[in-house]
Amino acid sequence: KAGVTQTPRYLIKTRGQQVTLSCSPISGHRSVSWYQQTPGQGLQFLFEYFSETQRNKGNFPGRFSGRQFSNSRSEMNVSTLELGDSALYLCASSLDEGTYGYTFGSGTRLTVV
Amino acid sequence: GESVGLHLPTLSVQEGDNSIINCAYSNSASDYFIWYKQESGKGPQFIIDIRSNMDKRQGQRVTVLLNKTVKHLSLQIAATQPGDSAVYFCAEKSSGNTPLVFGKGTRLSVIA
Repeated sequence: KAGVTQTPRYLIKTRGQQVTLSCSPISGHRSVSWYQQTPGQGLQFLFEYFSETQRNKGNFPGRFSGRQFSNSRSEMNVSTLELGDSALYLCASSLDEGTYGYTFGSGTRLTVV
Repeated sequence: GESVGLHLPTLSVQEGDNSIINCAYSNSASDYFIWYKQESGKGPQFIIDIRSNMDKRQGQRVTVLLNKTVKHLSLQIAATQPGDSAVYFCAEKSSGNTPLVFGKGTRLSVIA
């Protein structure tokens, strides 16, 4: 069974631009969570989606947004990119809301120049 | 490869020795704990989990110990191998609709 798929794998953007990252969960998984990983801050929770609704949100500015589609695939968007947004963005899927089995994708490495 | 943590504490062990990685968690309401392994260029990979009604759980070459009194979690790896070299994260979750919260991570370096 396919794992969590994140695209693109690598991305280079310029300050001020916006970016959209995609995550396809494991087939049958309906919950998707996003994390930002940086050397200084570790893994920071961004948001969690279930049934196309945002269930939880971390402490990030409004430039960070996301959505989930009816097939459980999720996208996250970062607008007005800043140098500090350079990070590895990880997506994790789980079977249902509030369940405990999280499987991570390999992430999207975003570099802002 | 991509660096997942330039400022992480590092544990160096000889191949064949046992490794113990420690984690202090923050939320006394957390009732579920996971250890993840992250290799360079990859996402975190599940190793073992434990619920708060247990003190110890064993897997293949790995054991997780939970001390709720002092909010401490540890991961023991028996007969450490070069392939165990990675960054290890503990994560905690409380019941209900709450997110998984990660600790800062420890880099394990196995010396052949």
